[in-house]
Amino acid sequence: DTEVTQTPKHLVMGMTNKKSLKCEQHMGHRAMYWYKQKAKKPPELMFVYSYEKLSINESVPSRFSPECPNSSLLNLHLHALQPEDSALYLCASSQEGGARVTGELFFGEGSRLTVL
Amino acid sequence: QQQVKQSPQSLIVQKGGIPIINCAYENTAFDYFPWYQQFPGKGPALLIAIRPDVSEKKEGRFTISFNKSAKQFSLHIMDSQPGDSATYFCAANAGNMLTFGGGTRLMVKP
Repeated sequence: DTEVTQTPKHLVMGMTNKKSLKCEQHMGHRAMYWYKQKAKKPPELMFVYSYEKLSINESVPSRFSPECPNSSLLNLHLHALQPEDSALYLCASSQEGGARVTGELFFGEGSRLTVL
Repeated sequence: QQQVKQSPQSLIVQKGGIPIINCAYENTAFDYFPWYQQFPGKGPALLIAIRPDVSEKKEGRFTISFNKSAKQFSLHIMDSQPGDSATYFCAANAGNMLTFGGGTRLMVKP
């Protein structure tokens, strides 16, 4: 099993809603990531978890709250989002953890978020 | 400087042609250079990668050429097929950061 599974595939939410994106991998990878991707743009790193601990937060607004319940699961909790937060949210994992992040990332198919 | 510059932004070739996508970087700390392929509605998928101690790497129809002194690297797709139509991202890794290029939208016409 070499997949990174993300749910839901599509999410529409209002600016006052609270929702969560979920990500799961069963490859035994020790690093997991959240990226945000706008149309026709490259993925932008949001958060990195290494060995279940948050190691990188790319100055992401607090309305995005990551959580790593265990080595296979990664959540992104959403609250009071803005319309400009509408994007494709990608989860990824990699084999290595610790201070060094490998460039070999395995991405999920993403969750398409629309904020009304 | 973490930037990776990618060109062209878009590229159209006929089936069987050899599209070439170029990337340039400034940060000499980069030590791993992957290419990702992304189809519409899908996440990026690792295509091929190279380390700076190697000048060329081939995997099937895909070849990376790497010029360390010029701080440039490129992707060549041999005998391109319509199924290769996708967005391609070069990237460079240093320490804790993977930096993506801006992407190239490739269309291969039948």
